[in-house]
Amino acid sequence: DQQVKQNSPSLSVQEGRISILNCDYTNSMFDYFLWYKKYPAEGPTFLISISSIKDKNEDGRFTVFLNKSAKHLSLHIVPSQPGDSAVYFCAAISSPVGTASKLTFGTGTRLQVTL
Amino acid sequence: ETGVTQSPTHLIKTRGQQVTLRCSSQSGHNTVSWYQQALGQGPQFIFQYYREEENGRGNFPPRFSGLQFPNYSSELNVNALELDDSALYLCASRIRGKQETQYFGPGTRLLVL
Repeated sequence: DQQVKQNSPSLSVQEGRISILNCDYTNSMFDYFLWYKKYPAEGPTFLISISSIKDKNEDGRFTVFLNKSAKHLSLHIVPSQPGDSAVYFCAAISSPVGTASKLTFGTGTRLQVTL
Repeated sequence: ETGVTQSPTHLIKTRGQQVTLRCSSQSGHNTVSWYQQALGQGPQFIFQYYREEENGRGNFPPRFSGLQFPNYSSELNVNALELDDSALYLCASRIRGKQETQYFGPGTRLLVL
């Protein structure tokens, strides 16, 4: 039962263009959504998050959009840079009262930014 | 401010053995979670510790156990290792209540032969 899905295993974008990474989810009880970037041999690095009560959050070159009716979120990176090449994970948090707040991850999208 | 650290970085064990992985939380973080990331997959939640007690667990058998110490550092213990336990094990720390900001360590890569 995959509650968070990233259907594109890989994405290639030219430097300077926009990268759009997509994520779908099935659990309407998720409170927060997060994006992590992961380089080989390193742990995931937190990028940006969005509360389920918002539809957009922006931080520098990174913007996350949330469409609750479609249970879909996307990460936009503008402009894309070669250093952005990494695996990007979408994750979601649900925290019912009295239980742990656990992250549920997608399977990741490998972004390659070419020159 | 130091980040989340984990040790060892790599480990090779054989089936049936036991292993202990260690994690030092980021300064000021009182909640630690452990995740297992198999090849080609996203990290899977194992369990979470707060105030030295387990307060949430994912779909992992009891041979996966943990500890949290008064200084908020943590251990993950796996008994009776199986081949499928080969994975990257990640530790994440946060301040309780700040669920949207979890910070991960670099992980321990375990290979079970």
